[in-house]
Amino acid sequence: GEDVEQSLFLSVREGDSSVINCTYTDSSSTYLYWYKQEPGAGLQLLTYIFSNMDMKQDQRLTVLLNKKDKHLSLRIADTQTGDSAIYFCAEYTDKLIFGTGTRLQVFP
Amino acid sequence: EADIYQTPRYLVIGTGKKITLECSQTMGHDKMYWYQQDPGMELHLIHYSYGVNSTEKGDLSSESTVSRIRTEHFPLTLESARPSHTSQYLCASSDRDRGSDEQYFGPGTRLTVT
Repeated sequence: GEDVEQSLFLSVREGDSSVINCTYTDSSSTYLYWYKQEPGAGLQLLTYIFSNMDMKQDQRLTVLLNKKDKHLSLRIADTQTGDSAIYFCAEYTDKLIFGTGTRLQVFP
Repeated sequence: EADIYQTPRYLVIGTGKKITLECSQTMGHDKMYWYQQDPGMELHLIHYSYGVNSTEKGDLSSESTVSRIRTEHFPLTLESARPSHTSQYLCASSDRDRGSDEQYFGPGTRLTVT
């Protein structure tokens, strides 16, 4: 089946790093995405990684992909209060499958 | 910055009313989607379209209908709203020519049926 799983909540202190994890089931996924949803808004594409890559860095964001374990993570360095949001991972094979979402709360 | 719009942003309506949620994009994308997002955050695909005159039902059964008469426009209609339709509705689009299906989302319509 197609299941993309994430932990529901993550709480971090401002300035610390956040790591949001995601597991997927379809080994034929070609692209994997991270989206951010702020309160009352739609989803915003943050970054993505091709399935033949292990890591991608984009400013404060680092995406790690472990294809063997079908595990994807998003690391946010120096987490700020503005990073508080819901984060969705998604895998693409012939369609986009979204994860269950992780609510990140950043406290001072 | 994605150019995809949804109206209204918020709607409170009584049971039994007919409503249409509007979605428009100016990027010339062939693919468009409607998602329903419940309070538990999870997204459910309810309808999608791969181009003009193409519409398909998504993974979650929905009493709504959609139409795609123009590339840029993908409205969703509820013939008779019920309290169970209360939810956030998100529209998205993507470029068919890209193999990645990178979807761009509108701001959403929060619907409350009383």
